Amino acid sequence: GENVEQHPSTLSVQEGDSAVIKCTYSDSASNYFPWYKQELGKRPQLIIDIRSNVGEKKDQRIAVTLNKTAKHFSLHITETQPEDSAVYFCAASNGGNQFYFGTGTSLTVIP
Amino acid sequence: DTEVTQTPKHLVMGMTNKKSLKCEQHMGHRAMYWYKQKAKKPPELMFVYSYEKLSINESVPSRFSPECPNSSLLNLHLHALQPEDSALYLCASSQDMGVGYGYTFGSGTRLTVV
Repeated sequence: GENVEQHPSTLSVQEGDSAVIKCTYSDSASNYFPWYKQELGKRPQLIIDIRSNVGEKKDQRIAVTLNKTAKHFSLHITETQPEDSAVYFCAASNGGNQFYFGTGTSLTVIP
Repeated sequence: DTEVTQTPKHLVMGMTNKKSLKCEQHMGHRAMYWYKQKAKKPPELMFVYSYEKLSINESVPSRFSPECPNSSLLNLHLHALQPEDSALYLCASSQDMGVGYGYTFGSGTRLTVV
């Protein structure tokens, strides 16, 4: 089965700086990679996703890059704000609708 | 309506109790899921329903019993749970199975087994 590793497990940045979270996956058949943000006590929310036929996708301050050859994908948050503080989960799917989640990154943005 | 609604939000139950968790969506999504999440851990898949039929059971103990009465509703029946079953139980739905159908998660039921 798929194995998704996520790094770092915790990340602290100053407000306004950039944050980068990296995930690697093992199954070359995986072709859909969503990112979820989960604030304390709340539901995971999809913030951005990327399909395997695309190398990069951007949505305002958030971008995701995918390197299929190396089997890794990354979340980039620019101009971080305190409200970006949350746990972020990456996931991978091979289209069978079963998502394999990474272990999560707890991001703290220091005002 | 673009939400997945879960009830109750909090539940405390004894090890001999029987209770049910409820999940509802009116987005026309045909795939629905139950996940279990422990604190600071990723969600763990329990069950997947596709077109109202159980398609995945991740070797979940029989004290958890899912039910999908119709395309909008998903229940999780609980019986004789253990304290280690205390967790956040998340329901999710997606438009269909296949690439690119992201999940919409409900707010979850925080379950405490005493």
